[in-house]
Amino acid sequence: KQEVTQIPAALSVPEGENLVLNCSFTDSAIYNLQWFRQDPGKGLTSLLLIQSSQREQTSGRLNASLDKSSGRSTLYIAASQPGDSATYLCAVQSPPRLTFGEGTQLTVNP
Amino acid sequence: GAGVSQSPSNKVTEKGKDVELRCDPISGHTALYWYRQRLGQGLEFLIYFQGNSAPDKSGLPSDRFSAERTGESVSTLTIQRTQQEDSAVYLCASSLGAGHGTEAFFGQGTRLTVV
Repeated sequence: KQEVTQIPAALSVPEGENLVLNCSFTDSAIYNLQWFRQDPGKGLTSLLLIQSSQREQTSGRLNASLDKSSGRSTLYIAASQPGDSATYLCAVQSPPRLTFGEGTQLTVNP
Repeated sequence: GAGVSQSPSNKVTEKGKDVELRCDPISGHTALYWYRQRLGQGLEFLIYFQGNSAPDKSGLPSDRFSAERTGESVSTLTIQRTQQEDSAVYLCASSLGAGHGTEAFFGQGTRLTVV
């Protein structure tokens, strides 16, 4: 059974800092890994999708890496802003389902 | 539509009543997922539909829960004889398919409160 773990569970940083969120998974037989953002009381917004054959994906200030063999992914956020405050979730697709981690709750203080 | 649409956005029901939640996936998306998220907790897989294949119902927590989907269109999640522990946000997602590189898109969810 696939299990996904995210560290840390919560993170508070001052505005402008670069930060790294971690995600690990137990079964490396995945199709892809996806990072999401969830704002309080809202649904999930897709941030980045990394296919199993890829090593990283970039979108603006976000960079996600994938090391499938070791079962790890990181989400790097550059020059953090208060608007980045949210819960960040990673999910792996081990067919057919998406398995989620518990999330990292990020607070960026002005 | 432009995204995954769920209705209602909020539902308050009395314990013991049945409720039906609706999900309209993105047009052309063959895969559809339902998840449950209790307050302060992670996403719990409920059920997965892929085209006309038999659905993966392995995440449904009890026989009070059922879901239907006709072809690649709307899906409904039905909870019979609701209990207070059913209170949660129910999230629906769709994707082009279960193959490689298929990004999943989520709706805004239905917040269910059982009183």
